[in-house]
Parts: sequence; C-alpha cells; structure tokens
Amino acid sequence: NAGVMQNPRHLVRRRGQEARLRCSPMKGHSHVYWYRQLPEEGLKFMVYLQKENIIDESGMPKERFSAEFPKEGPSILRIQQVVRGDSAAYFCASSPEKVLYFGPGTRLTVL
Amino acid sequence: AQSVTQLGSHVSVSEGALVLLRCNYSSSVPPYLFWYVQYPNQGLQLLLKYTTGATLVKGINGFEAEFKKSETSFHLTKPSAHMSDAAEYFCAVSEGGSTLGRLYFGRGTQLTVWP
Repeated sequence: NAGVMQNPRHLVRRRGQEARLRCSPMKGHSHVYWYRQLPEEGLKFMVYLQKENIIDESGMPKERFSAEFPKEGPSILRIQQVVRGDSAAYFCASSPEKVLYFGPGTRLTVL
Repeated sequence: AQSVTQLGSHVSVSEGALVLLRCNYSSSVPPYLFWYVQYPNQGLQLLLKYTTGATLVKGINGFEAEFKKSETSFHLTKPSAHMSDAAEYFCAVSEGGSTLGRLYFGRGTQLTVWP
C-alpha cells in the first residue's frame, strides 16, 4: 500500500510565476490536508479537503493560494504570482481516522 | 484555542543516554496528542499518539510518552538513545472529532546523538 505521494519533490519558481503542487492520498483515504513548514518553524495548517469539497480553509492566505481535490486525480495546491516569502516545504497528509499520514513534501524555492 | 510549546529547540545526548523531549500544550477540550519525527528532507512519521485510555503511550523505535493532564504535558522519552534517533521531533495537538486533522504543531526539537 503506497503512502501519501507528492510531486514534484522540489520546485523552483521565479517571482510572479505560478506553482502547482500535487498530492495523491493513501489508497482509501478521502480526506486531504495541506500544511506549510517555514524555515525553523513547525507545520502550520492550511486547508482540509474531501473529494470535491473544501471543508476548512481557515489557514489559507486570503490571496494567491487555492486548493482543490477533484473527484478524479490528485489534490492540487496552487500558488499564483509567487513571492520569496512563499519559499517553504509544503506537506500533504491524508487520514482514515484519528491519525494523519504525511507525504514527503514539496520544497518550493522562489528566486 | 490550541497551542504547543516544545522546550528546547536543540537537545544533545550521548549514545545510550536517556532522551527526554518536552512538550506542553494548551487546549480548551480534551486533547488528542501526537509526536512526529522528521528526518532530513523527508516527511513526518508518526511516533505515537494519545487519544483516550491509558496515559502512558508506547510508540515505534522504543519511544514512549505520558499524558499528564494536571501538568498539560506530553513529554517524549526513550531510555537509551541510538545514533539513528538523530532527527527533528514535533509535538502536536488536536481537538479530535471533526477537527481531528487540524493539528497544531510545536516549533520542533532537533535531537543530536553523540557517539
């Protein structure tokens, strides 16, 4: 049973470009969470999605960030017009119940 | 509101020595508590969790933690450190129920193990 998969593992963008981060949850998991880890900080919750629904996006920045989890395919975290402050590790997690399983993360570097 | 404080951003121990990583939390409801470990350039791996029941929880790799409600603590221990334990450790809390997946993480403790 494959774990949570994220791609790309590393992503480099110039300021103003768009970043798309993908997450495939573990088989049978229909809940996906996105977290962001800034340098020397713990993880911060961004958004919680179920298939075709955003359940809780209270941790998402108000502008430039969006997330989706379509009926088919991976969950996507999209960052438009990236800025240097968006440089971070972005982790996806999926859950059956009572515990989160994290993916390996996507490390975004904005030049 | 939930929050987590990990005392000591860096802890160093000798191989074979006791490992103690401290975690205190605040929660307005009975908490669910977790310890995760992160190796360099990898995702987080669950070490152990407390949801209900026995307050002493055993996890993988010989780690255990004790939930002490009166002290609002969930310290992580291991009797004898191994070189492979060197990593960053994160304590996290959630309210459980429908908000189970919304974890509040501490800032992490980097564990170094000396030979």
